[in-house]
Amino acid sequence: ETGVTQSPTHLIKTRGQQVTLRCSSQSGHNTVSWYQQALGQGPQFIFQYYREEENGRGNFPPRFSGLQFPNYSSELNVNALELDDSALYLCASSLELAGKQYFGPGTRLTVT
Amino acid sequence: GESVGLHLPTLSVQEGDNSIINCAYSNSASDYFIWYKQESGKGPQFIIDIRSNMDKRQGQRVTVLLNKTVKHLSLQIAATQPGDSAVYFCAETHNNAGNMLTFGGGTRLMVKP
Repeated sequence: ETGVTQSPTHLIKTRGQQVTLRCSSQSGHNTVSWYQQALGQGPQFIFQYYREEENGRGNFPPRFSGLQFPNYSSELNVNALELDDSALYLCASSLELAGKQYFGPGTRLTVT
Repeated sequence: GESVGLHLPTLSVQEGDNSIINCAYSNSASDYFIWYKQESGKGPQFIIDIRSNMDKRQGQRVTVLLNKTVKHLSLQIAATQPGDSAVYFCAETHNNAGNMLTFGGGTRLMVKP
C-alpha cells in the first residue's frame, strides 16, 4: 500500500453532469498529480498541484479543474461530463516536485 | 476487480524463467525513466527507476536497461513468479516537464505455473 487514498471507488454519472473526485496524499507529500487512464491504455497526465498551486497541465480542456488543500489533499472536478470521460482516474503524490510518484487505487468513473 | 489492458501486447512466460519487457520512447530530452506494475483493480506500483546518466540499474530481481542511442528501455525480471503477473508500464519525464510522467502503452505479463 502506498498510503494514497481515493474516493469514491466507483461512480456512475450521466452525460452533462459534474463530478468531484478526492485524493488524500501520503503523509508529508506536498505534490499531487492526477492522471486519466482509459481502458487498455497507459495513464495520461491531467495536471499537478504543488503547495496548493497548479504546477503543470496536460492536454485536457478547462472543464477539468482541481484544487489542493492546506493539508495537501486534492480534488479533481469535471464539468459537463462526456461519454469519453469514462475512465479510471488516478492520483499520485510525491515528496516535492522531483520525487517518486506513489499512486492511489483510482476512481472508476462511468458516464452514461 | 476491473480489467486493465484488455488489448495490450502480452508476454507469456513459464514460472521460474526470466522475463524481458521492452519500451520505446520518443522524446530525446527525457532524462528520468520509471517502470510501474499495475495489477487488476489497483493503481500503478513503482518498481524501479533510472536516470539518463546511467545505462543499467538493478533492484531485487529486477534490472532496468537504458539505451539512449535508440531510445529504448527494458525491464528484466529474474525467476518470474505468478505474483509478477500484471500490466507493466514504462514512464518518462524530463527536467522541463516538472514531474509530469508520460506513460507508454503497457505490456501484460502472464506467468504460467
